[in-house]
Amino acid sequence: QITLKESGPTLVKPTQTLTQTCTFSGFSLTSPGEGVAWFRQPPGKALEWLALIYWDDDRRYSPSLKSRLTITKDTSKNQVVLTLTNMDPVDTATYYCTHVRGTLFDFWGQGTPVTVSS
Amino acid sequence: QSVLTQPPSVSAAPGQKVTISCSGSISNIGKGFVSWYQLIPGTAPKLLIYESSKRPSGIPDRFSGSKSGTSVTLAITGLQAGDEADYFCGTWDTSLSLWVFGGGTKLTVL
Repeated sequence: QITLKESGPTLVKPTQTLTQTCTFSGFSLTSPGEGVAWFRQPPGKALEWLALIYWDDDRRYSPSLKSRLTITKDTSKNQVVLTLTNMDPVDTATYYCTHVRGTLFDFWGQGTPVTVSS
Repeated sequence: QSVLTQPPSVSAAPGQKVTISCSGSISNIGKGFVSWYQLIPGTAPKLLIYESSKRPSGIPDRFSGSKSGTSVTLAITGLQAGDEADYFCGTWDTSLSLWVFGGGTKLTVL
């Protein structure tokens, strides 16, 4: 059974860097075809894809946020870490990580709400 | 302004059928497959439909998806109170080079 859980701060100040960790079980990021992606949903708004990392370290980023995003994996810990620099109140959202098989986002974490405020 | 267009809300009585539309363009829905997701606050989002019409294991056949041109539709039959949620469509956009989503549709079971 595949499970994922996001962890990280729920409150960050403007200009700070957000670091969110996705800890997963039920699959390995060393297996071909496997990946982990990050999404967010601002209050009352649509889902927004942020980044994705595959088993072979292939990384993809949302073009509009690429300069601020970094996604990395630690296969020994079954973790994927997302960092988003220079946080702004518009980055307030619930952040989700998901399992990716090919291009399918099939299992999701419960999400963690992040508020950006001074 | 979302790349994919969904109605903000739909509603129907228990036991009835509801459909949720999602329209896009040649660079997204017209080019590939669409997935549907169910979001209930406080719970993990759930994949309902992938490749426009396929159901993952564990998703009841009350949920179905179809595609025509640059639009897709999610149909839910035999509505239950537990179906109240936000529903999002999503797919890859070949022009924007990112995954795009609709604005979401809030389903109310009357």
